[in-house]
Amino acid sequence: EIVMTQSPATLSVSPGERATLSCRASQSVSSNLAWFQQIPGQAPRLLIHGASTRATGIPARFSGSGSGTEFTLTISSLQSEDFAVYYCQQYNNWPQTFGQGTKLEIK
Amino acid sequence: EVQLVESGGGLVQPGGSLRLSCAASGFTFSSYSMSWVRQAPGKGLEWVSYISSSSSAIYYADSVKGRFTISRDNAKNSLYLQVNSLRAEDTAVYYCARDSWIQVNYYYYYYMDVWGKGTTVTVSS
Repeated sequence: EIVMTQSPATLSVSPGERATLSCRASQSVSSNLAWFQQIPGQAPRLLIHGASTRATGIPARFSGSGSGTEFTLTISSLQSEDFAVYYCQQYNNWPQTFGQGTKLEIK
Repeated sequence: EVQLVESGGGLVQPGGSLRLSCAASGFTFSSYSMSWVRQAPGKGLEWVSYISSSSSAIYYADSVKGRFTISRDNAKNSLYLQVNSLRAEDTAVYYCARDSWIQVNYYYYYYMDVWGKGTTVTVSS
């Protein structure tokens, strides 16, 4: 099973600033990496698939990069609605596995 | 509008069973693979099971293998998860999700692009 490790566990950023979230896979997942946003009490929402392709309707301030074992989600200018928990997930191998999440909180 | 609506959750005793359902609308259900993902209270996401569009391919997480059964009825636009021999650690919100795909050479890779709001399963005596 591929282990996904996210860092940091919690990230404190001020509105309008940039946030950078990291995700590492225990072995290569090529570009088969997705990012999800989860607001408390809501279902996860797909942000990024293929490591860097924004899902339908996702604002351009969200961008993903990386391949192999190292991935990054960048939110260029944080809006109030962006403070949430973010998960990375690999779908290169079965079982599909998620990282433990990064909580993005207001500084 | 693409929509997934789960139902069937509830409070059940250890060792009990439930049948979770997911009603799909707004897309051609029979063309898509589907998955179940769960989230224990205060915890992260855990993939549970996958079923291909024709039910020809099915996968389970090791934690549920032999106890859970995924199925679908394309005529009814519905996905199911039969959960048996329930344990306290199965307590979670269960989400169904639609799988979109990319093809690379001869391989298909599936990612979850639409999620339902979830149904809660609580296992307790």
